[in-house]
Amino acid sequence: EAGVTQSPTHLIKTRGQQATLRCSPISGHTSVYWYQQALGLGLQFLLWYDEGEERNRGNFPPRFSGRQFPNYSSELNVNALELEDSALYLCASSSGFSGANVLTFGAGSRLTVL
Amino acid sequence: GQQVMQIPQYQHVQEGEDFTTYCNSSTTLSNIQWYKQRPGGHPVFLIQLVKSGEVKKQKRLTFQFGEAKKNSSLHITATQTTDVGTYFCAGHSGAGSYQLTFGKGTKLSVIP
Repeated sequence: EAGVTQSPTHLIKTRGQQATLRCSPISGHTSVYWYQQALGLGLQFLLWYDEGEERNRGNFPPRFSGRQFPNYSSELNVNALELEDSALYLCASSSGFSGANVLTFGAGSRLTVL
Repeated sequence: GQQVMQIPQYQHVQEGEDFTTYCNSSTTLSNIQWYKQRPGGHPVFLIQLVKSGEVKKQKRLTFQFGEAKKNSSLHITATQTTDVGTYFCAGHSGAGSYQLTFGKGTKLSVIP
């Protein structure tokens, strides 16, 4: 069974540009979560999608947005990139929404903003 | 909102020594999960605790959930170099909240 896949693995952008990150969940999983992990820091919750709808949003500015497609894959868009957006962006999936669901993480997309 | 605090932030131990990381929540949790992230890797699920006072073991790892379901701990006996990584706890408060809140993690270094 394929795990959670993320692309690209690495992305280098300059300030002011836009970045798009993609995530394919485990087959059968309907929930997708996005987390930001800046160097040496913990996991900061960004967005949660389930069945195509945004279910919750973390404390991030509106330039962080995303969507979930009918096949449950998801993309994260970051507009007007700032230097502090440089981080590892992790996507995770779970089967539906319940606090007991375990998250399976992808390998992440490392975004570098110059 | 719900906060999950984890201590210590860093721990350096000699190989063979024991290690413990503690997790405390500002609210009562319906369950708590533990994840491990190896250097350069991504978080991987270790275990979930649901019941008050629950204790679970995985080889040299012992996980506990407090009686009040507001704290948890992970204890590693006789650390090995393969234990190196960051250990995260993540809590779910229930009450209509379907989202895990992660602690900031404890980074474990093992000196051979």
